[in-house]
Amino acid sequence: DSGVTQTPKHLITATGQRVTLRCSPRSGDLSVYWYQQSLDQGLQFLIQYYNGEERAKGNILERFSAQQFPDLHSELNLSSLELGDSALYFCASSVAGQGPEQYFGPGTRLTVT
Amino acid sequence: GENVEQHPSTLSVQEGDSAVIKCTYSDSASNYFPWYKQELGKRPQLIIDIRSNVGEKKDQRIAVTLNKTAKHFSLHITETQPEDSAVYFCAAKGNQFYFGTGTSLTVIP
Repeated sequence: DSGVTQTPKHLITATGQRVTLRCSPRSGDLSVYWYQQSLDQGLQFLIQYYNGEERAKGNILERFSAQQFPDLHSELNLSSLELGDSALYFCASSVAGQGPEQYFGPGTRLTVT
Repeated sequence: GENVEQHPSTLSVQEGDSAVIKCTYSDSASNYFPWYKQELGKRPQLIIDIRSNVGEKKDQRIAVTLNKTAKHFSLHITETQPEDSAVYFCAAKGNQFYFGTGTSLTVIP
């Protein structure tokens, strides 16, 4: 157990809908990263937050957005969902903005039908 | 931005043999290179990492080497066991993490 929690574990929804994925970082970790992993694909970096502020942005679609709250948990919002958005979504946390070691949560498996 | 290439994409070895996975990166500003092991449907788990001021690091059967000049780093697993079967990802970190495309390792008993 990495200490990073994600909810829900599984999510099934229809095209066009909107969902919110939640991540709680390890105690003391200020930085949260979001990744998308499609079937048989690698990890695509989406976005990073550090202590409530956006730190880095990767291949995140405009239909997706995220935020980090004062208690450091983070939410990833996915809207106007398409079939191709079906994937595992991981969040990871690390101690500080530039702290190298990151630890992954168990992931949320999103299925868009 | 950074570009991380990982080879091979699949690797099969006999139990007890060694396995080597190689990655190259493009951004000389990258200074941290972790390796993750991911079993099917589970989270990536950090297994070993190396910083740019070190050339080699070892942890029991696992070792990582880094050649900054050539911009490549490798994962070495010795005395492989069936439980080593998984997908392995390398990554390079500069301003953000960039991941390789993964190597599916199968250890044949």
